[in-house]
Amino acid sequence: SQTIHQWPATLVQPVGSPLSLECTVEGTSNPNLYWYRQAAGRGLQLLFYSVGIGQISSEVPQNLSASRPQDRQFILSSKKLLLSDSGFYLCAWSPGTGINQPQHFGDGTRLSIL
Amino acid sequence: GQQLNQSPQSMFIQEGEDVSMNCTSSSIFNTWLWYKQDPGEGPVLLIALYKAGELTSNGRLTAQFGITRKDSFLNISASIPSDVGIYFCAGRIQGAQKLVFGQGTRLTINP
Repeated sequence: SQTIHQWPATLVQPVGSPLSLECTVEGTSNPNLYWYRQAAGRGLQLLFYSVGIGQISSEVPQNLSASRPQDRQFILSSKKLLLSDSGFYLCAWSPGTGINQPQHFGDGTRLSIL
Repeated sequence: GQQLNQSPQSMFIQEGEDVSMNCTSSSIFNTWLWYKQDPGEGPVLLIALYKAGELTSNGRLTAQFGITRKDSFLNISASIPSDVGIYFCAGRIQGAQKLVFGQGTRLTINP
């Protein structure tokens, strides 16, 4: 069966520090991968999605970037964190075949910027 | 952009009551998904709908894909304490990779 792992589960970072959140999927090949941000426990905002290695689509202009160095690895990064980057970050995957496949989420990373 | 209107935003009910929530849009969707999110965790898929008029059950949960393809509802029968959480609808427009999410319905149950 397929599983998705995100780490770390929680992170406290000072303003201006760099960020790297990692997400990996197991049990499938060539998945579509997604990064979302959720503020205050409501509403999911799509940040990035990827349909293959090295292919990244950005949904909103922001202080963050994403990379997909391997088929089942998706990384969310920032060079300098802002206070407004605080939130709950969720990684998700869906099968790469079939346009209507549902997305499945990881357990999220709660990021607090001080 | 495409918007999903999910209502109600919050529900406070007694244990054992039935629950109904819905999502509507001005756009036509070819997929409707319903998720539940517990505090501090990621959303978990409850029901997926792919055809207009489709009615699908998962235990005490029932969801329907509206005939107009612009709406969907989720019903929970005989609510229990573990039903507490935030429920999200999500939809996919024909040919799109991305999901559009509703703002969520926060369900609170009084024992």
